[in-house]
Amino acid sequence: AQKVTQAQTEISVVEKEDVTLDCVYETRDTTYYLFWYKQPPSGELVFLIRRNSFDEQNEISGRYSWNFQKSTSSFNFTITASQVVDSAVYFCALSEDNYGQNFVFGPGTRLSVLP
Amino acid sequence: DSGVTQTPKHLITATGQRVTLRCSPRSGDLSVYWYQQSLDQGLQFLIHYYNGEERAKGNILERFSAQQFPDLHSELNLSSLELGDSALYFCASSVASGAPYNEQFFGPGTRLTVL
Repeated sequence: AQKVTQAQTEISVVEKEDVTLDCVYETRDTTYYLFWYKQPPSGELVFLIRRNSFDEQNEISGRYSWNFQKSTSSFNFTITASQVVDSAVYFCALSEDNYGQNFVFGPGTRLSVLP
Repeated sequence: DSGVTQTPKHLITATGQRVTLRCSPRSGDLSVYWYQQSLDQGLQFLIHYYNGEERAKGNILERFSAQQFPDLHSELNLSSLELGDSALYFCASSVASGAPYNEQFFGPGTRLTVL
């Protein structure tokens, strides 16, 4: 069965530090989709990125970057020069098809960025 | 503001009751997704509708049902409520033409408390 592991339950960093959030997934499918979501203290969910299994190119969006490595079944998320506004719970997720079949979330990593 | 609206914001009810949660997607979005977030189970995908048709089912209990109407709003019906159904219920929408999971926009959630 599919599974997503986020081994880091909580991380604290000081502002301007770089931080990497780990995500390891398990699936038997060759086609799948990986996601990251952010949930700030206000509670709303924010979609950050979607990646399909055929696209192993790393992605950068401003201070955010994602490293997808099929060889290690990992989809890690790095925040460069972290800011207090980055404080949130971050969820990694996996879907085994384009519509949400067998969609699972990881348990989340709580990131605290201290001023 | 994501453009996705959910009503009500809060709902308090008793065990055994039935409630309906409503979601209006962003204008033009054809896909609606429902998620449940509870302390025990974490974040779970419940169901995905595209243009009125069910596309994928996740961990949705048989006591729960959903539908998407011709005007594209969606309702999640929860019946025979149990204490464990207390959770935050999110809906999200996306454009969903060809790649339905490209970007999802989340509503603020409905917090359901079952007493």
